[in-house]
Amino acid sequence: GQQLNQSPQSMFIQEGEDVSMNCTSSSIFNTWLWYKQDPGEGPVLLIALYKAGELTSNGRLTAQFGITRKDSFLNISASIPSDVGIYFCAGPSGGGADGLTFGKGTHLIIQP
Amino acid sequence: KAGVTQTPRYLIKTRGQQVTLSCSPISGHRSVSWYQQTPGQGLQFLFEYFSETQRNKGNFPGRFSGRQFSNSRSEMNVSTLELGDSALYLCASSPGGGAGYGYTFGSGTRLTVV
Repeated sequence: GQQLNQSPQSMFIQEGEDVSMNCTSSSIFNTWLWYKQDPGEGPVLLIALYKAGELTSNGRLTAQFGITRKDSFLNISASIPSDVGIYFCAGPSGGGADGLTFGKGTHLIIQP
Repeated sequence: KAGVTQTPRYLIKTRGQQVTLSCSPISGHRSVSWYQQTPGQGLQFLFEYFSETQRNKGNFPGRFSGRQFSNSRSEMNVSTLELGDSALYLCASSPGGGAGYGYTFGSGTRLTVV
């Protein structure tokens, strides 16, 4: 099946730093979704991307849908303590109703 | 508007038992999907229901089953529990199914099999 490779696996940064993470796939995705999961909770949708080349922002978060449709990037500017969590990329597994394929996640840890 | 509600939040079961988990989607949402999350395998798709019909199923054994009721509420059942079934089970609802609509997740049910 399709696989999404996320990197880095974890990041240790200082508060106020910018963060970049990415997600790649060997197959084409028509939609890219970025989720954040806090401990003990379900993933929360941050940004959805629907078109190759699309750049979308949500506050301090910016995500891009790669031109090749095989990758996506998420940037967080001026990180704050509440940004701590696990960030997942996801895309449709195949067809409109096959569920989502998730990456393994990037664990963001912020040192004050 | 109320989010996706999953019950119970925590559950401890013994090997060989069966378990039923419940999910109430956002009002008006007709699609409900189920995912299993484990530290080793991450988030994996179990199945999706739309208008009481299972539209797709992930690569899980037949011990995992589900159903959806006419009010869109969904249940998933795991029979003959194994230790490896210990996981966080997440339910997600969507207005019409398909990633284009986005999925809203519940807080999950943490199942521990002993």
